[in-house]
Amino acid sequence: GQNIDQPTEMTATEGAIVQINCTYQTSGFNGLFWYQQHAGEAPTFLSYNVLDGLEEKGRFSSFLSRSKGYSYLLLKELQMKDSASYLCAVTDSNYQLIWGAGTKLIIKP
Amino acid sequence: DTAVSQTPKYLVTQMGNDKSIKCEQNLGHDTMYWYKQDSKKFLKIMFSYNNKELIINETVPNRFSPKSPDKAHLNLHINSLELGDSAVYFCASSPRVEVGEQYFGPGTRLTVT
Repeated sequence: GQNIDQPTEMTATEGAIVQINCTYQTSGFNGLFWYQQHAGEAPTFLSYNVLDGLEEKGRFSSFLSRSKGYSYLLLKELQMKDSASYLCAVTDSNYQLIWGAGTKLIIKP
Repeated sequence: DTAVSQTPKYLVTQMGNDKSIKCEQNLGHDTMYWYKQDSKKFLKIMFSYNNKELIINETVPNRFSPKSPDKAHLNLHINSLELGDSAVYFCASSPRVEVGEQYFGPGTRLTVT
């Protein structure tokens, strides 16, 4: 079966750095996505990785290792507005997007 | 300019009723989706249409019927609503099936009483 695992909840302090991990087992791989979802709102696209390595976009970075079936989202200089759920999703061989259950990130002052 | 819009935003109805949710995207995308997000926040794909043709039809009750009159619209009709149908329903679109970056509508919060 297809499976995506990520921690259910994480807590971090304002101004700090947090890393949210995602491991996946899918039938084929055509890219990995990270989405952010604030409470009561729709998911919004954050990042896309299809090759191994680190993609940096401002305070957010995403890393991919295809051989390990592993990705992480790194958030730097945390702000209160970063409190949200972070969803990992993988496109399989049929280009179907398989979603993780999301990691709820709580930022404390 | 709203990229993906859904109506209504909130829907409260009684068991046994039939209701529809409408979705429109003005991005010129070929592919549209319906997702259900339950109280545990897990996002579950229900249907996917590519250029008005059904390409993904996950295991959902046949009380749920999608309809795509054109590639900019994907509506969801639900018959004989049940308590377990209460959830947030998101419409989304992507440029093509092969492109996983999806743009989501604001969601429709359905409450069945």
